[in-house]
Amino acid sequence: QKEVEQDPGPLSVPEGAIVSLNCTYSNSAFQYFMWYRQYSRKGPELLMYTYSSGNKEDGRFTAQVDKSSKYISLFIRDSQPSDSATYLCARHNTDKLIFGTGTRLQVFP
Amino acid sequence: GAVVSQHPSWVICKSGTSVKIECRSLDFQATTMFWYRQFPKQSLMLMATSNEGSKATYEQGVEKDKFLINHASLTLSTLTVTSAHPEDSSFYICSAPDPDRRIRYGYTFGSGTRLTVV
Repeated sequence: QKEVEQDPGPLSVPEGAIVSLNCTYSNSAFQYFMWYRQYSRKGPELLMYTYSSGNKEDGRFTAQVDKSSKYISLFIRDSQPSDSATYLCARHNTDKLIFGTGTRLQVFP
Repeated sequence: GAVVSQHPSWVICKSGTSVKIECRSLDFQATTMFWYRQFPKQSLMLMATSNEGSKATYEQGVEKDKFLINHASLTLSTLTVTSAHPEDSSFYICSAPDPDRRIRYGYTFGSGTRLTVV
């Protein structure tokens, strides 16, 4: 079992839709979780990071962690075509980042 | 914010030749640099961790003699793919810990290098 798993997609939604991106992880010792956005042929950029269970909101983005079920989510409200990218969840442990496979999102006008 | 400059952004080389990829931290010192490889539609896989002034630490299954990493200064780390073969064609990305400690465990990534070996 991979340490962090994501549905690779692609996920295609119309502009304005609410997008839900999800990851599961296997090791309950994981504490820090991040969401990165990667545009085609570019390096990832940090969107959000979270530590505890619950929600964290930043503009149109909400990160949610459910440690009891080992599930992390990223919600995007009022999605825009510029949100079209690959979204990678990651966990941090012992000075390393371990990434999920990423979910490709396409927001069409 | 912190910037890691990676060059070249893309390179095509002949099989059997070597290619060097550079990553420079701009306006901050990166004592550690991480090197990742990403195949199409796949995630980033950590290849190695370099520390300034010491030998790099390679992940299991990564050939250290093939992927030479040098971190000779606090602002420059290089990855050299030696005797490249078509199966080495991939997207290589470097990353350094973000100096802004308000972002705990934040990392700044380079823009990546697309290597094509023909």
